[in-house]
Amino acid sequence: DIVMTQSPESLAVSLGERATINCKSSQTLLYSVNNKHSLAWYQQKAGQSPKPLIYWASTREPGVPDRFSGSGSGTDFTLTISSLQAEDVAVYYCQQHLHTPSFGGGTKVEIK
Amino acid sequence: EVQLVESGGGVVQPGGSLRLSCAASGFTFQNYVMHWVRQAPGKGLEWVSLISGDGGSIWYADSVRGRFTISRDNSKNSLYLQMNSLGTEDTALYYCVKGSGWITDFWGQGTLVTVSS
Repeated sequence: DIVMTQSPESLAVSLGERATINCKSSQTLLYSVNNKHSLAWYQQKAGQSPKPLIYWASTREPGVPDRFSGSGSGTDFTLTISSLQAEDVAVYYCQQHLHTPSFGGGTKVEIK
Repeated sequence: EVQLVESGGGVVQPGGSLRLSCAASGFTFQNYVMHWVRQAPGKGLEWVSLISGDGGSIWYADSVRGRFTISRDNSKNSLYLQMNSLGTEDTALYYCVKGSGWITDFWGQGTLVTVSS
């Protein structure tokens, strides 16, 4: 099974500043058929269900603001919120979709 | 508009059974993979099971294999999860999730299962 590890567990960022969340997988997430990495990011606000943000490591879901971006390759990936807004307060999860899904433990993003 | 509405959650004693249902609308149900994902109170996300559009391919997490059974009725646009031999570790909010392969693209609001004596 692929183990996903996120860091940090929580972070506090000032409004308008950059937030960076890291995710590491226990094996490469490269999908050889399309040469893309099988990594997704989700946002879960308090009391709500998770909302998909990004898949294939860097492809944004329709309607997701462009301040959210995903990057990385191999086993190391990053979700960046370029300019944190109040509505971005949430827990963020990474998930590998190379095979039977597994999730990171989550990163709580708050306003400093 | 895509909608996924879960039902069937509740309180059950350890060793008991429960059947969850998910009513889907707003998309061609039979064309999509469906997942169940759970979240224990205050904890992270745990994938539970997947079923292909025609029901011919099914996958389970090790933690539920042999106890849970996923199924679907495409004529009723419905997804199910039969849960047997429930333990306290199965207490969670269970989400019905629409997918494309292993990628998920829409989550329901969840139904709460509490296993307690």
